[in-house]
Amino acid sequence: KAGVTQTPRYLIKTRGQQVTLSCSPISGHRSVSWYQQTPGQGLQFLFEYFSETQRNKGNFPGRFSGRQFSNSRSEMNVSTLELGDSALYLCASSRDRTTDTQYFGPGTRLTVL
Amino acid sequence: AQKITQTQPGMFVQEKEAVTLDCTYDTSDPSYGLFWYKQPSSGEMIFLIYQGSYDQQNATEGRYSLNFQKARKSANLVISASQLGDSAMYFCAMRQNSGTYKYIFGTGTRLKVLA
Repeated sequence: KAGVTQTPRYLIKTRGQQVTLSCSPISGHRSVSWYQQTPGQGLQFLFEYFSETQRNKGNFPGRFSGRQFSNSRSEMNVSTLELGDSALYLCASSRDRTTDTQYFGPGTRLTVL
Repeated sequence: AQKITQTQPGMFVQEKEAVTLDCTYDTSDPSYGLFWYKQPSSGEMIFLIYQGSYDQQNATEGRYSLNFQKARKSANLVISASQLGDSAMYFCAMRQNSGTYKYIFGTGTRLKVLA
């Protein structure tokens, strides 16, 4: 069974640009969560999607947005990039929201210059 | 508010020895799940072990075991017979089993296994 996949794996952008990251969950998983990981702030929750609806949202500005498609694949978008957005963005999937374990993808490492 | 605390920023262990990574948590919910993840330098978070708040026995998965002490609100990870490949960051996490069902992660412990 294939694991969680994330594309691209590495990305370099400049300030002011926007970026879209993609996450394909494990087959049969309907919940997708996104996290930002930085050395200073650790692992911070961005948002969670289930059945194409955002169920939870972390404390991030509106420049961070996401969506989920009918096949459970998810994308997150960051507009007007700032230097502080440089981070490892991790996607995790689970079968359901309440009882199943989250499994993570390899992450997308975003560098903003 | 829910909280996870990992007080050991870094740990060293000799190859083939056992090591315990500490994790304490705080929650007022009676039902919750506790998880440990391993993050090698490559970045991917690898699920290691799960313990439910109502589980009577400590969870074990191969060389990993979770020392669950509910009254003390601790969920320490024990790695037996350490291997060089165990060198990584280890994160303790908790999921509340009501409300938002969000995961909360600790700050992690960096483990270095010495040959």
